[in-house]
Amino acid sequence: DAGVIQSPRHEVTEMGQEVTLRCKPISGHNSLFWYRQTMMRGLELLIYFNNNVPIDDSGMPEDRFSAKMPNASFSTLKIQPSEPRDSAVYFCASSFAGKGDYGYTFGSGTRLTVV
Amino acid sequence: GENVEQHPSTLSVQEGDSAVIKCTYSDSASNYFPWYKQELGKRPQLIIDIRSNVGEKKDQRIAVTLNKTAKHFSLHITETQPEDSAVYFCAASSTGFQKLVFGTGTRLLVSP
Repeated sequence: DAGVIQSPRHEVTEMGQEVTLRCKPISGHNSLFWYRQTMMRGLELLIYFNNNVPIDDSGMPEDRFSAKMPNASFSTLKIQPSEPRDSAVYFCASSFAGKGDYGYTFGSGTRLTVV
Repeated sequence: GENVEQHPSTLSVQEGDSAVIKCTYSDSASNYFPWYKQELGKRPQLIIDIRSNVGEKKDQRIAVTLNKTAKHFSLHITETQPEDSAVYFCAASSTGFQKLVFGTGTRLLVSP
């Protein structure tokens, strides 16, 4: 099992540009989560999906952020336009809702720097 | 919604000592409490978890205790080693989709 795969690992972009982060969950997992990690705010849940359906997007900071999950094996988090305060590590995680083991598996993260 | 508080924010111990990290949660419906370890520059990784029908769980040098009445749970690491140095996060979940709310993290430093 390759685990949760995120791309890119690092992204440096200029303010105002569009950024797209990608995630491939573990095969068979039916829940997917996007988190943002910063020193100041720790791990913040942005949005999560169950069976490809967005369940709770209350953590999405602004309309500049959007997320999609077109199928069970792929999700994107888009920021348009990006701002310097969006600089953070963005983690994707997946799990299987309904199974006894509820632990998340995190991807390696995407370190985003907006200059 | 759920709120998880974690203490201390930093913890320094000597190799071989024990370390204890404590968390409190607000939602009495929460029923799942995992702990994650995050080494510098890496992803958080699950190290141990406990469910609300269990008071204590052990895995070698790591143990977690849960007090549902007081709504707090703790991570205990015995015989600490330098490789235990990392940031530890507690979390709580009360929903069927396992939405986890994380604590703010504890930076553990184990000195040789």
